[in-house]
Amino acid sequence: SQQGEEDPQALSIQEGENATMNCSYKTSINNLQWYRQNSGRGLVHLILIRSNEREKHSGRLRVTLDTSKKSSSLLITASRAADTASYFCATWGLNQGAQKLVFGQGTRLTINP
Amino acid sequence: KAGVTQTPRYLIKTRGQQVTLSCSPISGHRSVSWYQQTPGQGLQFLFEYFSETQRNKGNFPGRFSGRQFSNSRSEMNVSTLELGDSALYLCASSWTLAGESYEQYFGPGTRLTVT
Repeated sequence: SQQGEEDPQALSIQEGENATMNCSYKTSINNLQWYRQNSGRGLVHLILIRSNEREKHSGRLRVTLDTSKKSSSLLITASRAADTASYFCATWGLNQGAQKLVFGQGTRLTINP
Repeated sequence: KAGVTQTPRYLIKTRGQQVTLSCSPISGHRSVSWYQQTPGQGLQFLFEYFSETQRNKGNFPGRFSGRQFSNSRSEMNVSTLELGDSALYLCASSWTLAGESYEQYFGPGTRLTVT
């Protein structure tokens, strides 16, 4: 079963607004990563946050991690039409006997011009 | 650096056939992982190869297998194809240290359709 649960499943906002996506996971992790996927293409890595970090920034992206609640959030500020994509959180850790990257179901983000 | 390449990009097969997908990682990356993406199950981990050895394996039947060559290129094979194997198969390479993986660099994927 999927490790990560993402919320919301779909999000539609106006260009220029901020978008927040949440991710919850079940087991202990080494790190948590966020990826973007444009319409049926390969995934692009956005940001990695380690289990001993609480917050990380990269350009217009801000990621937080709360290991006590087993949750993370991705904030995209000043959204642009080009940000329209699906966003996935992925946790790296021991899961069902294997060290692997386990993805959530994703949030479909639509930025309206 | 050239990105991760996957061939072929699209493939149509019939039930019962077998298929081999190929992946060339980014130069210097020794870890190659394979994922299956479907609308119903999302992204699921198939297996990871590191230095020609399968290091981790997901929960897929034995019909799914893979290998890695000395130049880190990897192939994935699916035998006795079923309709449910229709999916986007993604390959990713990464730089890893023991016990931890860093960001994965994904290829564009191979879209497999089984009829």
